[in-house]
Amino acid sequence: AQKVTQAQTEISVVEKEDVTLDCVYETRDTTYYLFWYKQPPSGELVFLIRRNSFDEQNEISGRYSWNFQKSTSSFNFTITASQVVDSAVYFCALRVTGNQFYFGTGTSLTVIP
Amino acid sequence: KAGVTQTPRYLIKTRGQQVTLSCSPISGHRSVSWYQQTPGQGLQFLFEYFSETQRNKGNFPGRFSGRQFSNSRSEMNVSTLELGDSALYLCASSPTQRTLNTEAFFGQGTRLTVV
Repeated sequence: AQKVTQAQTEISVVEKEDVTLDCVYETRDTTYYLFWYKQPPSGELVFLIRRNSFDEQNEISGRYSWNFQKSTSSFNFTITASQVVDSAVYFCALRVTGNQFYFGTGTSLTVIP
Repeated sequence: KAGVTQTPRYLIKTRGQQVTLSCSPISGHRSVSWYQQTPGQGLQFLFEYFSETQRNKGNFPGRFSGRQFSNSRSEMNVSTLELGDSALYLCASSPTQRTLNTEAFFGQGTRLTVV
């Protein structure tokens, strides 16, 4: 069975602080993809980043970076120098064969000006 | 390029009624998936359609059904509505079906309230 856990329900940071969102996943599949999506108040899920199960290289894309560690089944996401516009709910998701997403319960991020 | 369009955006129905939600995917996308989002259960997969065929189905009762048309537009139907069906229903489109690395593009959802 597939499972994604986001232990942080709510996080508040002051603008310009860095913030890391945690994600732990469970799957027995050897081929899978991990995603982070952002859900602003308007409702749609906005794609942020993805990583496949064979590539543990961590990268930085603008203010976003991620840390993928298969040994601990974690896929953490960091926003550097947070901005008020980053306030949203962030979802970690797992995708295996069958194409559906398995989402975590989300982390609500509030950036205080 | 237009995004995923879901109509209506808001809907209020009475218990026992039925409802139909519509989703127009991004032009050229052939895969459409539906998700239910509630505060208690989070985001849960309902079903996926590709080339007018249901390819995958989540763990929902038979009251939830869907279909896809030849132009890739999709509808989902919920019959005999229950209070617990109140949720945000999100539609996602992807270019093809079997590409795990392809991100899905989501619409803004239909907010269904059952009273």
